Amino acid sequence: EVQLVESGGGLVQPGGSLRLSCEASGFTFNTYWMSWVRQAPGKGLEGVANIKHDGGERNYVESVKGRFSISRDNAKNSVYLQMNSLRAEDTAVYYCARGKGLIDYWGLGTLVTVSS
Amino acid sequence: DIQMTQSPSTLSAFVGDRVTITCRASQNISPWLAWYQQKPGKAPKLLIYKVSSLESGVPSRFSGSGSGTEFTLTISSLQPDDFATYYCQQYDTFPYTFGQGTKLEIK
Repeated sequence: EVQLVESGGGLVQPGGSLRLSCEASGFTFNTYWMSWVRQAPGKGLEGVANIKHDGGERNYVESVKGRFSISRDNAKNSVYLQMNSLRAEDTAVYYCARGKGLIDYWGLGTLVTVSS
Repeated sequence: DIQMTQSPSTLSAFVGDRVTITCRASQNISPWLAWYQQKPGKAPKLLIYKVSSLESGVPSRFSGSGSGTEFTLTISSLQPDDFATYYCQQYDTFPYTFGQGTKLEIK
C-alpha cells in the first residue's frame, strides 16, 4: 500500500523558515517524480515544486522561486521542502504527492501557518 | 501559465441525477487533463487521467471527455458519496495548474 506521510508543518513568523519532510513507503521511491502541492484555507490547489526520481531536475512555481528548495534522499525514501523567507500568502496545507504533473497518490497534508 | 477555468463553481443536484462539469484551458493541452475529487479535510483523489482514462477503483459512473481546450467530467447517476469538490488539472506544461474547483452539493 502506497503511503506518504508529511511532517514539519507549524506556525512560523513572516520571514522565517520551515522544512517539510515526506516519508514514502509501499512503492519503489527512486523511480518516481515527487511533488509538493499546497492548498490555502478555503482555496484551490497549487503545484509548488517537483523533483525528478534521481534529483537531476527540479521545477518551481514562480511565486516560490528563490525561496523554496525541493530535495530528496532516495536512501531514506524521503522528499523535502525547505521554505525560507516565508510570507503570509504561503499559509496552506502542503501535500506530498507522487508524480511529476499527474498525481496518483497524495499524503494527508501538513499545515503551515505564517503569522506574527 | 496555462489558465484552467471550471464551470459552474457550485452545482446543486439530487441523488440519481446526471451532472456535467466543464473545464476550459487557455491553450491546447490535449490529452494531458486530469480530474480529482476532494472531500472536506481530505487529500484529493485521482478520478480520471489523460482526458478519459478511469483510475483503478473509480466507479464507472464517472467519465471524462473532450479535446483541445474544452473538457467535461460527467457523473451518470449521482450517489451520496459523490458530493464533494472536483478539480481539473492540466499536466501538459509546468506549472501544472488546476481549475478553481466545482463544489457539488446535495439539493
